[in-house]
Amino acid sequence: GAVVSQHPSWVICKSGTSVKIECRSLDFQATTMFWYRQFPKQSLMLMATSNEGSKATYEQGVEKDKFLINHASLTLSTLTVTSAHPEDSSFYICSAGGGGGRNIQYFGAGTRLSVL
Amino acid sequence: AQSVTQPDIHITVSEGASLELRCNYSYGATPYLFWYVQSPGQGLQLLLKYFSGDTLVQGIKGFEAEFKRSQSSFNLRKPSVHWSDAAEYFCAVGAPGGATNKLIFGTGTLLAVQP
Repeated sequence: GAVVSQHPSWVICKSGTSVKIECRSLDFQATTMFWYRQFPKQSLMLMATSNEGSKATYEQGVEKDKFLINHASLTLSTLTVTSAHPEDSSFYICSAGGGGGRNIQYFGAGTRLSVL
Repeated sequence: AQSVTQPDIHITVSEGASLELRCNYSYGATPYLFWYVQSPGQGLQLLLKYFSGDTLVQGIKGFEAEFKRSQSSFNLRKPSVHWSDAAEYFCAVGAPGGATNKLIFGTGTLLAVQP
């Protein structure tokens, strides 16, 4: 149980284009989903917290117009990197809250974004 | 503010040797504590968690961790390391009763296993 699917696993795009990453909880309902960014050999940086049916809460310094998050259902959240530039190249990981108020998060396998 | 410190950036152990990865946290009360493992190019897998009760918790893949309140520590241990344990390990804390269920991650410890 507690499987989170993230798609695509790797995407290459041209500078200026937008890229959408999907995060799905396959066997449980996730009221809260989280989006992280990870630079090489570094820890996870929380970008935003999304709750189903409401606007995402972005961490300080994260551009909400650049990183659009939608959490339309209890099993799906999407991150859209708009007008991507090479500096947006990174590893993006989503997680889904397991519920129960105990902060358990189940992670997707991550998406490697390369912007040319 | 909550924080997590993993003092060891990189550790190398021989296969079959014991392992201890250190984790210290800063929090006003007893937080929820987690250890996650990340293989290269992959997401994070939950190894074990501590909420309350018995301070020695067992996890998957033969790992265990001990919560020591007096030392604000939650060190991860394994008695005999296997080559497949080579990965990055992250300690994380969460605030009980928090509205957002956020986790704060340490900077990670990269484990290398020598044959």
